[in-house]
Amino acid sequence: GQNIDQPTEMTATEGAIVQINCTYQTSGFNGLFWYQQHAGEAPTFLSYNVLDGLEEKGRFSSFLSRSKGYSYLLLKELQMKDSASYLCAVRAGTGANNLFFGTGTRLTVIP
Amino acid sequence: DTAVSQTPKYLVTQMGNDKSIKCEQNLGHDTMYWYKQDSKKFLKIMFSYNNKELIINETVPNRFSPKSPDKAHLNLHINSLELGDSAVYFCASSQEFGVLDNSPLHFGNGTRLTVT
Repeated sequence: GQNIDQPTEMTATEGAIVQINCTYQTSGFNGLFWYQQHAGEAPTFLSYNVLDGLEEKGRFSSFLSRSKGYSYLLLKELQMKDSASYLCAVRAGTGANNLFFGTGTRLTVIP
Repeated sequence: DTAVSQTPKYLVTQMGNDKSIKCEQNLGHDTMYWYKQDSKKFLKIMFSYNNKELIINETVPNRFSPKSPDKAHLNLHINSLELGDSAVYFCASSQEFGVLDNSPLHFGNGTRLTVT
């Protein structure tokens, strides 16, 4: 089975940096995704890691350590619009693009 | 020009009824999915279809049946609705992937199902 853990809620200040952690235990690991989901909307793709290291994309970066079963999403220069849930998802198994999601971290950005 | 569209957006119905949710994608993707998001916002895969073949069925009740008339459509039919079926159902699609490809899921805007 798949086990994916991330904090339920976080609060950070506008302009600051926040790190959202995700740990996973899975068989047949084939990559890790981060998605952003605003309330009442669909999840949207943010980043993808399959090799160890840091992937940077503008204000957002994502890190992966496969040996530790660990990833984080780093958000810089926080803006109010970054208030959303951030979902960690692991692609596992063979064949189809099977994504298994964590419960998500609800981030609240305060002025 | 919505990439993944699903209808209806809201669905309120009584226990015991049968209902369907429709999904269409215009991205030319090979695989389509249905996910269920419960009240705790936990997103769990239900089904995926690749070239009209069911390739995942995550122990959902057989009251739920996916139907794919063609590669661009994957509808979800639910029989004998129960209170516990109340949730948001998301359709998604993706391209085939290689290990180094991200091939992310593209989600529809969701259907909020309320069973009373």
